[in-house]
Amino acid sequence: KAGVTQTPRYLIKTRGQQVTLSCSPISGHRSVSWYQQTPGQGLQFLFEYFSETQRNKGNFPGRFSGRQFSNSRSEMNVSTLELGDSALYLCASSSSTGNTQYFGPGTRLTVL
Amino acid sequence: EDQVTQSPEALRLQEGESSSLNCSYTVSGLRGLFWYRQDPGKGPEFLFTLYSAGEEKEKERLKATLTKKESFLHITAPKPEDSATYLCAVQGDGGSNYKLTFGKGTLLTVNP
Repeated sequence: KAGVTQTPRYLIKTRGQQVTLSCSPISGHRSVSWYQQTPGQGLQFLFEYFSETQRNKGNFPGRFSGRQFSNSRSEMNVSTLELGDSALYLCASSSSTGNTQYFGPGTRLTVL
Repeated sequence: EDQVTQSPEALRLQEGESSSLNCSYTVSGLRGLFWYRQDPGKGPEFLFTLYSAGEEKEKERLKATLTKKESFLHITAPKPEDSATYLCAVQGDGGSNYKLTFGKGTLLTVNP
């Protein structure tokens, strides 16, 4: 069974721009979560979607948003990028019957 | 608010030198405690899920244990390929909470 995939793997943007990251969960998984990982803060929860509905949201500004499609694929968007948004963005999926989250390889975002 | 503290921050071992990593946690009600391994530039790789105090799980040279306040990851006779950052996370059972709260991780280096 294929794992979680994320595209693109690397992105370089400048301050003020916006970016969209994509995540395809493991086949059959309906829950998708997003995390931001930085050296200083570690892994921090952004939001979680299940059946196209956001169930949880972390403590991030409104510039961070996401959505989930009917095929369970998910996207997250960051508008008006700031230098501090440079991070590894990780997507994880889990099945509707289990709570173990399986992570993708991440998207490395660099904001210049 | 759920909290996870991992110690030590970094650990250097000689090949074959067994040791343990600690994960202390506070959570309103534990839905699950998770151990992941992360290699540089990659997403976290799932290792174990523990659900209740007294539970133990093993995989090759790794063994995870759980009490009501902490979890240990025991590494027996480690090899250089066990070098990685080991992450601990908890999921609380409050309402619609599906997020994982992570510790900062333990960077393990195993020298040949």
